[in-house]
Amino acid sequence: DTEVTQTPKHLVMGMTNKKSLKCEQHMGHRAMYWYKQKAKKPPELMFVYSYEKLSINESVPSRFSPECPNSSLLNLHLHALQPEDSALYLCASSRGENTEAFFGQGTRLTVV
Amino acid sequence: QQQVKQSPQSLIVQKGGISIINCAYENTAFDYFPWYQQFPGKGPALLIAIRPDVSEKKEGRFTISFNKSAKQFSLHIMDSQPGDSATYFCAARTTSGTYKYIFGTGTRLKVLA
Repeated sequence: DTEVTQTPKHLVMGMTNKKSLKCEQHMGHRAMYWYKQKAKKPPELMFVYSYEKLSINESVPSRFSPECPNSSLLNLHLHALQPEDSALYLCASSRGENTEAFFGQGTRLTVV
Repeated sequence: QQQVKQSPQSLIVQKGGISIINCAYENTAFDYFPWYQQFPGKGPALLIAIRPDVSEKKEGRFTISFNKSAKQFSLHIMDSQPGDSATYFCAARTTSGTYKYIFGTGTRLKVLA
């Protein structure tokens, strides 16, 4: 199983809403990532979790709050987002010694 | 500096031709160089990857060439097919502490039937 599953696939939320994105992998990977991708741009790293601990936060605004409840799950909690936060949010995972990083299909987020 | 430069921005190739995409980096702390293929509305899919101690790696129609001294690497797609039409991203992984993947700016490939 080389799959990273993200839910939901699409999400529309208002600027005052609170929502969460979910990511799951069962490959035994101990590093998990959140990336943000705008149209026609490369993925931009937001957060990295290593062994369930936050190891990298790329100066992401606090309206984005990551959480890693266990080694298979990664959440991204969203609150008071702006329309410019509309993007494809990608989750990825990797196991250090194998090096490959696998991406999910993403959640298409629209903030209205 | 943690940056990966990718060219060209877009590429049009006839069916059966060779597609070549180039990337260059400056940070010598990169230790792994994957290429990703992304179709519209989908997440990036790992295509092929190489470590800096190898000069070339081939998997089917896809070949990575790596020049460590020049800090450059490239993707060659042989016998390009319309189904290869997608955006391709090179990437580099840092070794400092936690693994971090830095992406190139992407190349939109269109293969004409």
